[in-house]
Order: sequence, then C-alpha cells, then structure tokens
Amino acid sequence: KAGVTQTPRYLIKTRGQQVTLSCSPISGHRSVSWYQQTPGQGLQFLFEYFSETQRNKGNFPGRFSGRQFSNSRSEMNVSTLELGDSALYLCASSLEGLAGTTKFSGANVLTFGAGSRLTVL
Amino acid sequence: AQSVAQPEDQVNVAEGNPLTVKCTYSVSGNPYLFWYVQYPNRGLQFLLKYITGDNLVKGSYGFEAEFNKSQTSFHLKKPSALVSDSALYFCAVTAPGAGSYQLTFGKGTKLSVIP
Repeated sequence: KAGVTQTPRYLIKTRGQQVTLSCSPISGHRSVSWYQQTPGQGLQFLFEYFSETQRNKGNFPGRFSGRQFSNSRSEMNVSTLELGDSALYLCASSLEGLAGTTKFSGANVLTFGAGSRLTVL
Repeated sequence: AQSVAQPEDQVNVAEGNPLTVKCTYSVSGNPYLFWYVQYPNRGLQFLLKYITGDNLVKGSYGFEAEFNKSQTSFHLKKPSALVSDSALYFCAVTAPGAGSYQLTFGKGTKLSVIP
C-alpha cells in the first residue's frame, strides 16, 4: 500500500514568486491536512480538506491556499513568497480526519508524507 | 485554545536504560493524544494514540504512554532504549468533541541514545 507522496521534495524560490506543492494521499483516504514545520515555530496547522471542501483552516495569511481534487489529491499554493515561508511543508492523509468515528486501529491517525522543503531566497 | 508542552528540548539516555519523554497538554473537552517520531529529512511517523479506554497505551517499536487526566500528562516511555530510537519526538493533541479538528504539536524533544 503506497504511502503519502509529496512532490517536489525540494525546491528553491525567490521572494515574490509563487509555489505549488502537491500531495497524493493513501488510496481511500478522503482527508488531507497540511502543516508547516520551521525551527522557530515548530509544526503549525495550515488547513484540512475533506471530499474537496476545506473543512478547517489555521492562522495563516491568505497567501496560503489549497484545494482538493475529486481523487483526493491535494495541492497547496503560496503566493508572493517571503523569506519566512522557508519551511518543510508536510501533508497528512486519513480516512475521515481527526474526528473520524470508524472503529479500527487506524482511525483518527494522520499518515504523513516526507514533506516538501521550500527555500525562499 | 489547545496547547502542548514538551518541557525538555533534549533527552539523553544510555542504551539499554529506560527512557521517558514528557508531555503535558491543555484542551477543552476530552483529549485525543498522539506521539509521533521524526527522523532526519523525513515526515512524521505515528507511534501511538490515546482516544479512550485504558490509560496505558502501547504502540510501535516497544513504546508506550500513560494518559493521566488529573496531571494532564501523556508521557512516552520505553523500558530499554536502542540507539535506533534516537530521533525527534512530538506529542500532539486535539479535541474533536470540542470542535477541534487539527493537531496541535509540542515543540519536540530530541532523544539521543548513547551506545
């Protein structure tokens, strides 16, 4: 069973550019969440998509956006890049998200991808 | 608001000795608690979770954690540390019953197991 796949793994951009990151969840998973990881702020929640709808959103500016397609694949976009956007962006998938009621051991568990490391120069 | 505190940035332990990585949390409602581990240049790997039921939960690679409601703690433990356990450990909390559908992570604790 394939895991969560994130592309690209590494990328370098300059200030003012925009970037799009992709996440392919585990087959059958309908929830995709995005997190930003930086040395200073740690892991911070960006947003969650479930069945193509944004269900939850963290405290990030509108430059950060995302979407989910009918096959559950998700993309996040960051426009007008700033130096502080340099981070590891992690995608996580799950069957139903954190509030899932499915009664099996994997319920409520997020499976993370390896991340996309963005460097903004 | 929900929060997680991992009071130790780094924990050093000798191989074969027991290890403990501490975590306390604050949340409205009943917590869902998780431990994840991160190896260099990798994503997070799930270790164990507490949702309900027994306060002592067992997870992957011989790790276990005890949910203590009165102390709002969820410390990670392992009876005998291995060098391969050296990694960054994150505690996380959410509370879906209180309307939270996101994980809030602690800052992480770097575990170093010394041969």
